[in-house]
Amino acid sequence: TQLLEQSPQFLSIQEGENLTVYCNSSSVFSSLQWYRQEPGEGPVLLVTVVTGGEVKKLKRLTFQFGDARKDSSLHITAAQPGDTGLYLCAGFSSGSARQLTFGSGTQLTVLP
Amino acid sequence: DTAVSQTPKYLVTQMGNDKSIKCEQNLGHDTMYWYKQDSKKFLKIMFSYNNKELIINETVPNRFSPKSPDKAHLNLHINSLELGDSAVYFCASSHLARSSGVSSYNEQFFGPGTRLTVL
Repeated sequence: TQLLEQSPQFLSIQEGENLTVYCNSSSVFSSLQWYRQEPGEGPVLLVTVVTGGEVKKLKRLTFQFGDARKDSSLHITAAQPGDTGLYLCAGFSSGSARQLTFGSGTQLTVLP
Repeated sequence: DTAVSQTPKYLVTQMGNDKSIKCEQNLGHDTMYWYKQDSKKFLKIMFSYNNKELIINETVPNRFSPKSPDKAHLNLHINSLELGDSAVYFCASSHLARSSGVSSYNEQFFGPGTRLTVL
C-alpha cells in the first residue's frame, strides 16, 4: 500500500507569513497533485506535477516535485485568509493513472 | 452550472437501514468515482467506473454497491448501515487518463459531498 504523509497536520499562521507544506512517501509516484478543500465542499485541483524536479507556480503558490518522485512541497508566500483550507497531496502510482492515493492532509488557518 | 452534483447533501438515518446517494456529472467525462472521507479528513477511493464498467473496486464491504446507469451517473447504494459508515462521501469524475511523457494522470472534479450520519 502506497502512503503519502503530510506535515504539518495543522498550521495556524498570521496573514503575510510564508509557509511550506510537505508531502512524503517511500514509494515512487508517476505524478502528483495538490488539492484544496474548503468546509462543506469537495477538493479542488490546484496543480499536477509530472516530472521529477519540476517546479510550478500558481500566483503565490509554488509546487515542487522531488527529483526521485517520492515527495512534494507546497510553498505559499505572503499567506492570506483566503488561503485557509485543507490542503491534500495525491499521487498516481507508476503504471496506473486510474487510482489516486491521497495524503493525510494539512489544515491551514491564516489569521487576519 | 453545477459540474458534479450529489444528492442528498445530508443524510441522517438509523443503523440497519438501506440508503442511496446519487451523483451526476455534466462534464462529458467517461470515468466516475466514489470516495469516502473519514472524521480525520482522510480521503480514500472506494469505486471507479469507466463507461459504465467497474475498474476500481477497493476493499469495501459488499453492503456498498455502486451502480452506473450511464456515463453521466454513478449512484451508491448502502445496505444495512452501520455506525462506522458515518462519513462524508464524495463523487468525482474525470477523463480516464492523459499522458505526459512517461507519466499518466487525470484531473478529477469532485462533487460537494454527502454527509452520512448513522445513529
